[in-house]
Amino acid sequence: SQKIEQNSEALNIQEGKTATLTCNYTNYSPAYLQWYRQDPGRGPVFLLLIRENEKEKRKERLKVTFDTTLKQSLFHITASQPADSATYLCALLSNQAGTALIFGKGTTLSVSS
Amino acid sequence: ETGVTQSPTHLIKTRGQQVTLRCSSQSGHNTVSWYQQALGQGPQFIFQYYREEENGRGNFPPRFSGLQFPNYSSELNVNALELDDSALYLCASSLPGTSGGDTQYFGPGTRLTVL
Repeated sequence: SQKIEQNSEALNIQEGKTATLTCNYTNYSPAYLQWYRQDPGRGPVFLLLIRENEKEKRKERLKVTFDTTLKQSLFHITASQPADSATYLCALLSNQAGTALIFGKGTTLSVSS
Repeated sequence: ETGVTQSPTHLIKTRGQQVTLRCSSQSGHNTVSWYQQALGQGPQFIFQYYREEENGRGNFPPRFSGLQFPNYSSELNVNALELDDSALYLCASSLPGTSGGDTQYFGPGTRLTVL
């Protein structure tokens, strides 16, 4: 069955540093991969989508890479700020329904000033 | 443009009861997906509706059922509630086949507690 893993449950870094989050998947070749941000008690908010034919995507301080050979995506936040503290979820397009997603457990990022 | 809304915000039920959760999709979005998120876990796909028809289902028992209405709003019904059904229930809408249509827009969720 499709499986998605986010290697770290928690990541603590200092303000100004780059945060790097990892997402690995098995038993699947997704057409695309998405990253979401979730704050406590709230629904996930879409950040970036990267397709299988794209190696890298950027949006402001965010960068996502997608290596279909390694079956891995890396999510980077540069010049991190305390406001970036949240849980970040990796999600793959599922084979269960048109646009249904399979999510990882998430990585909780804490940025200290 | 109105975002995805869900009601109620919180709900407390007892084992064996039935519950209905509601979702209004973002304006123009014809696809609604429901997810269950237990504490400390990522969202798990329950089912998806596209133009009032169920379009796929995750590994949830038949006591989880749903509906989508002509205005694309949706309901999630859970019968014979169990303690393990306690979770945050998320609704997400999208408009597949359009530019940016693969993005899912989530509502704030309904927190269900089963005692």
